[in-house]
Amino acid sequence: DTEVTQTPKHLVMGMTNKKSLKCEQHMGHRAMYWYKQKAKKPPELMFVYSYEKLSINESVPSRFSPECPNSSLLNLHLHALQPEDSALYLCASSPLRRDTIYFGEGSWLTVV
Amino acid sequence: DQQVKQNSPSLSVQEGRISILNCDYTNSMFDYFLWYKKYPAEGPTFLISISSIKDKNEDGRFTVFLNKSAKHLSLHIVPSQPGDSAVYFCAASPLYSGGGADGLTFGKGTHLIIQP
Repeated sequence: DTEVTQTPKHLVMGMTNKKSLKCEQHMGHRAMYWYKQKAKKPPELMFVYSYEKLSINESVPSRFSPECPNSSLLNLHLHALQPEDSALYLCASSPLRRDTIYFGEGSWLTVV
Repeated sequence: DQQVKQNSPSLSVQEGRISILNCDYTNSMFDYFLWYKKYPAEGPTFLISISSIKDKNEDGRFTVFLNKSAKHLSLHIVPSQPGDSAVYFCAASPLYSGGGADGLTFGKGTHLIIQP
């Protein structure tokens, strides 16, 4: 059972669309993350939030815009994506920034 | 430059036998190591971790061994079960990161297939 919940599980969007991925955890974790994973590759860190503040942006293009409305929620806003952005987007959380991370089940994104 | 290497893309093991998954690392700053298991269409699940002050950590059927001088760790699964079929990622981080996402470097994964 994962306690990091991601919605939607699958998303297909056009290159001109605006959509959002959502992530929620109720474990009281104060650090949350977005990862991107392509087939047969390891997860790649995109963003780190600590205490609802953006701590790390791993040089991610601006067409990906993270948002942390509160300590339980993390969003990833998507706009003008490219087909090569199609991937599994994983949310993760940890009690604090320097703790073991726990992943959600991921959102499969297809850009057409 | 791959700092965490899992040189076997796949491994096939008979049910009931021991599965040994290997991982090598090159960065001597790494002090904390983790294994994640991933089923298709799901996110990685944390399995077990070990810090460099230990050479072995055990949790049920899963044991991780660390050989710091060889910069090598391995995950042993005994006995292997059909539900263990998944991709296993090795990950490493410097001690300051404590296994946190900031300093976490993943290997490319090993696909373990348990045959009945």
